[in-house]
Amino acid sequence: DVKVTQSSRYLVKRTGEKVFLECVQDMDHENMFWYRQDPGLGLRLIYFSYDVKMKEKGDIPEGYSVSREKKERFSLILESASTNQTSMYLCASIRGIEYNEQFFGPGTRLTVL
Amino acid sequence: GQQLNQSPQSMFIQEGEDVSMNCTSSSIFNTWLWYKQDPGEGPVLLIALYKAGELTSNGRLTAQFGITRKDSFLNISASIPSDVGIYFCAGPSYNFNKFYFGSGTKLNVKP
Repeated sequence: DVKVTQSSRYLVKRTGEKVFLECVQDMDHENMFWYRQDPGLGLRLIYFSYDVKMKEKGDIPEGYSVSREKKERFSLILESASTNQTSMYLCASIRGIEYNEQFFGPGTRLTVL
Repeated sequence: GQQLNQSPQSMFIQEGEDVSMNCTSSSIFNTWLWYKQDPGEGPVLLIALYKAGELTSNGRLTAQFGITRKDSFLNISASIPSDVGIYFCAGPSYNFNKFYFGSGTKLNVKP
């Protein structure tokens, strides 16, 4: 089975803190994604990566950056957390462009105080 | 970007009833995916559809890829309490670097 894991299920941070959310997949997938999910707004794409060291902005990249130094790991960084970044963050991966099935991690619920 | 319109937004049904939800798009998709999300968890892939007209089952779940490639349906037969959750449809962009999601159908099942 494909496994996508996220470093924390719940995280509480203070405004202005730098926050790292880690995602690891164990199936050698090429493409990885970061979404945030908010009530009434659905899943919104923050960033995605199609290869090591490659990244592309999604629909809402402002206030976020990402890092992909190794194929299995995709990190989301909040440089200076703000209260409006309180959300559920979901990581996902797919094997490659010829495979359409996107697999999700369990999510990290981040609260910024 | 592309929009996926999913309906209904929520459903309250009795255990044992059948459920139907659908997703439509203004653009063609080559793949339709259906996910279920339990409270506080990430979405889990239920069914993937790859061909127009395709009908695929996974236990009590059946999904169809519309002939026009602009819609898809998910049916759940004989619902049980553990079917409670949010169901999402999704489709990839033409280069598979982006996925579009419906807004979700929240299913509530009364025992």
